[in-house]
Amino acid sequence: EIVLTQSPGTLSLSPGERATLSCRASQSVSSSYLAWYQQKPGQAPRLLIYDASSRATGIPDRFSGSGSGTDFTLTISRLEPEDFAVYYCQQYGSSPRTFGQGTKVEIK
Amino acid sequence: QVQLVQSGAEVKKPGASVKVSCKAFGYTFSSHVMDWVRQAPGQRLEWMGWINAGNGNTKYSEKFQGRVTITRDTSASTAYMELSSLRSDDTAVYYCARDTCGGCPLDIWGQGTVVTVSS
Repeated sequence: EIVLTQSPGTLSLSPGERATLSCRASQSVSSSYLAWYQQKPGQAPRLLIYDASSRATGIPDRFSGSGSGTDFTLTISRLEPEDFAVYYCQQYGSSPRTFGQGTKVEIK
Repeated sequence: QVQLVQSGAEVKKPGASVKVSCKAFGYTFSSHVMDWVRQAPGQRLEWMGWINAGNGNTKYSEKFQGRVTITRDTSASTAYMELSSLRSDDTAVYYCARDTCGGCPLDIWGQGTVVTVSS
């Protein structure tokens, strides 16, 4: 099973700042089948990025994804108040699909 | 609009079973796969398995093999997840989520169903 490790655990930033979140896989992720999700308290996750760098429908262009192999990054170019949440990466290239432990982006 | 609506919260005793439903609206149910994912308190999301809503084929995580059964009723556009031999560490929020191909990202999620296992 592929283990995904996200860093940092918590990111304390101010609105307008840039956020850079990392996701590292224990082995190569097939065909860059990596997704990023946003989850707010009491809500279900929401798909942001798939195939490492493609934005899902309706996702603002301040969200971008990059990476391949074992190292992936989610970047939020300028944080809006509604972006403070927990972010999870997930690989779906091999079974079982697995998730990272999450990065919390909090208001500084 | 496209949405998944899950059944309500459940409280079960250890050793019992729970069955959670997930009704699809706004898209052709049988053209997609439905995954089930759970999130225990303070834990990461955990994939349990999926069902091809068209042909009924299933795939389960080895962790849950033998304890989980995913079924569907195409006439009701509804998928079901049954987990048996419940333990206290099965206490979690259980989500259904739409998957285009059985190995694709999860683009639509249900609102979640809280399952509490307690004696």
